[in-house]
Amino acid sequence: AQKITQTQPGMFVQEKEAVTLDCTYDTSDPSYGLFWYKQPSSGEMIFLIYQGSYDQQNATEGRYSLNFQKARKSANLVISASQLGDSAMYFCAMNPGTASKLTFGTGTRLQVTL
Amino acid sequence: EAGVVQSPRYKIIEKKQPVAFWCNPISGHNTLYWYRQNLGQGPELLIRYENEEAVDDSQLPKDRFSAERLKGVDSTLKIQPAELGDSAVYLCASSSARGQRQETQYFGPGTRLLVL
Repeated sequence: AQKITQTQPGMFVQEKEAVTLDCTYDTSDPSYGLFWYKQPSSGEMIFLIYQGSYDQQNATEGRYSLNFQKARKSANLVISASQLGDSAMYFCAMNPGTASKLTFGTGTRLQVTL
Repeated sequence: EAGVVQSPRYKIIEKKQPVAFWCNPISGHNTLYWYRQNLGQGPELLIRYENEEAVDDSQLPKDRFSAERLKGVDSTLKIQPAELGDSAVYLCASSSARGQRQETQYFGPGTRLLVL
């Protein structure tokens, strides 16, 4: 069975600062994909970034980067230069190698302050 | 390009009543998913379709939940009868790759259901 753990229920960051949201995962499958989604109060899950288990380099998408440490089974999201619009819930998710079935963590609520 | 469309956005019903949710995926996406998100939790998969075929419905409570995707495009999720514990957000997602693990799922805005 797959499991995603997000240990930070809430985080605060000042505008323009960087923030790291933690995610650890557990799977016995050697091949898998890791995803981060943003969920604003409107409810929609917005795809941010993807990392494949065999990717040699950490994924980056604009202000988002994924700090992938395979041996430690962690896939932390780094948001640089935080903006007020980044305030939302952030979910880490994993897609195992055998099927298309996302397993989500419980999320981290990020609040960006002035 | 339009995203995943869901309706209604909000629904309030009394327990034991039926309710239905509708989803139209991104054009060209052959895989469609229904998730349920309870308060304070991440979404959990209810059912996955590849075109018209339900290929994973292992988490769908079949005694009261049903789903269909008759023409391989839009889909309907139904609950009959609804129970208090069904109050949640029901999310629809779609993707374009057939069963590939690296596919990205794109979500709709969800339907917030409240059962009284």
